[in-house]
Amino acid sequence: QKEVEQNSGPLSVPEGAIASLNCTYSDRGSQSFFWYRQYSGKSPELIMFIYSNGDKEDGRFTAQLNKASQYVSLLIRDSQPSDSATYLCAVANQAGTALIFGKGTTLSVSS
Amino acid sequence: DVKVTQSSRYLVKRTGEKVFLECVQDMDHENMFWYRQDPGLGLRLIYFSYDVKMKEKGDIPEGYSVSREKKERFSLILESASTNQTSMYLCASTGGAVDTQYFGPGTRLTVL
Repeated sequence: QKEVEQNSGPLSVPEGAIASLNCTYSDRGSQSFFWYRQYSGKSPELIMFIYSNGDKEDGRFTAQLNKASQYVSLLIRDSQPSDSATYLCAVANQAGTALIFGKGTTLSVSS
Repeated sequence: DVKVTQSSRYLVKRTGEKVFLECVQDMDHENMFWYRQDPGLGLRLIYFSYDVKMKEKGDIPEGYSVSREKKERFSLILESASTNQTSMYLCASTGGAVDTQYFGPGTRLTVL
């Protein structure tokens, strides 16, 4: 069974700090990686995707991928209370037919 | 904008009832998915479909079936609802190979 592991949290950071969310995956053949944000009572929405080793930046968000270590992370700079949510890491299976989701990390940003 | 809609936001059914959950997407996506989400267990894939009349089992297909007669519509069927199927059900769609999945608003199903 292919797995995606995340620390469930909660991860608590003060407003303005950097929040670091981590994810490891078991399928070495995975090629596509996604970060979703889910507010309480809402459905997940995509924040970023990353396919290549290294960093990918989009505004306050940076995704980092290290395929050798089977590790993907999401950094949120200048964290805001509105960033308080559950962050889901998702990894595409080798066949590219489905995503495997982690259980999510809950982030709480205090003002 | 991609729009994925689900037939109900909240649904209450009795044990043994047959339950239909419908999902419609308006972006001509080939791939559609049904998940359930439970506290502490995360999102779990029930079934997915990559074309009309095609279906594939996900991780937890037991007790469920699906139907995809038209490209835009993917239905999840609980043949005989049980209390352990009380959950949030989320539908998603994506075009082509695995890409960004767009989720519907979810249906919170309670089976009494």
